[in-house]
Amino acid sequence: QKEVEQNSGPLSVPEGAIASLNCTYSDRGSQSFFWYRQYSGKSPELIMFIYSNGDKEDGRFTAQLNKASQYVSLLIRDSQPSDSATYLCAVVPYGQNFVFGPGTRLSVLP
Amino acid sequence: DVKVTQSSRYLVKRTGEKVFLECVQDMDHENMFWYRQDPGLGLRLIYFSYDVKMKEKGDIPEGYSVSREKKERFSLILESASTNQTSMYLCASSLETGRGFGTEAFFGQGTRLTVV
Repeated sequence: QKEVEQNSGPLSVPEGAIASLNCTYSDRGSQSFFWYRQYSGKSPELIMFIYSNGDKEDGRFTAQLNKASQYVSLLIRDSQPSDSATYLCAVVPYGQNFVFGPGTRLSVLP
Repeated sequence: DVKVTQSSRYLVKRTGEKVFLECVQDMDHENMFWYRQDPGLGLRLIYFSYDVKMKEKGDIPEGYSVSREKKERFSLILESASTNQTSMYLCASSLETGRGFGTEAFFGQGTRLTVV
């Protein structure tokens, strides 16, 4: 059973702080990793994807991948109230479909 | 701008009715998916399709069927709706790279189905 685990939260951070969201996965053959943001009542939208070990930065967002530890994270710098949402980690094992984590609910407090 | 469009945003149906949920994508994607999302259970894959007329069961196919007669359209069918099928249904599509790597899944806006 391929699994993706996330802390369900809620993770509360003050406005302007760094939010750190974590995800672990069970299938060592996983090749592709995605972070989606989902506002309440809306559909998921892609924030970042990462394929290689290391960091990938896009604006206020940084995705970090460590395949040896089977760990992927998302850092949100200068968090804003508009970042309050559920963040879904998705992993794609080689040649297979997406496996989504349960999501972490982030709350950014003004 | 890429688009995945689901036919209804909200739907209320009676127990025992046959329900059709339609999804259309304009990105010429090979892969299409149907998920349901319930509080505390996350996204669960119902069915997926990697080509026209091809379909594969996901994790929870019971009580559902699908149809993909054209590349851009993927339909989810609830043969006889039951109250435990009340949920948010999400359609998604993605490009088939053929290299083992998954590419981004684009989601439709979701259909909130209530079965009474």
